[in-house]
Amino acid sequence: SSELTQDPAVSVALGQTVRLTCQGDTFRSYYASWYQQKPGQAPVLLIFDKDSRPSGIPPRFSGSTSGDTASLTITGAQAEDEADYYCSCRDSSGDLVFFGGGTKLTVL
Amino acid sequence: VQLVQSGAEVKKPGASVKLSCETSGYTFVTYYIHWVRQAPGQGLEWMGMINPSGGSTNFGQKFQGRISMTRDKSTSTVFMDLSSLRFDDTAVYYCARGDDSTHSRWFDFWGRGTLVTVAS
Repeated sequence: SSELTQDPAVSVALGQTVRLTCQGDTFRSYYASWYQQKPGQAPVLLIFDKDSRPSGIPPRFSGSTSGDTASLTITGAQAEDEADYYCSCRDSSGDLVFFGGGTKLTVL
Repeated sequence: VQLVQSGAEVKKPGASVKLSCETSGYTFVTYYIHWVRQAPGQGLEWMGMINPSGGSTNFGQKFQGRISMTRDKSTSTVFMDLSSLRFDDTAVYYCARGDDSTHSRWFDFWGRGTLVTVAS
């Protein structure tokens, strides 16, 4: 299946840890990448190739996979982390790409 | 690395639109370019990709038959054509540089997006 399922909305208290999940059969073969998008801006790559972070992305962002679920964990959420978060992955053929529906994260 | 996209477009239903994405700061033929769109208030949707080296393309099933992508190696620019436009093609269209490993694919640099409005 090429469908990636994310929770539409999640909230976290300032300084606490939150895990955003993305479910899809494709994660049994491929790793997720994760993107942060703030209003009016282009997405920003947070996590790629299992659990790598591009330069400039804070270490409080981390990625993991278990079975058919990929997760993005924010350890010690900051006010500036309030944004939409998208997972993405190759489909089962490896040729195409799909995005999850996105999770709107609110930092309380 | 920079990806500079062309300006906003307004099109009528049934028309076509051609968007450009001029790249710089890296070797153009080394990385695929992908197009991703986002309808107002909606999520990201992958449309397809082009290999700037040989020009081969791969498109999402939803767009097959009305999308094409080309490139100009002399200007390090990628073009995306979408035809038979419908009202629900109204969206911001992003180009993004793609990279791959054996078990992953990701988009590390993005353009700022081009707003395409389909209106009668």
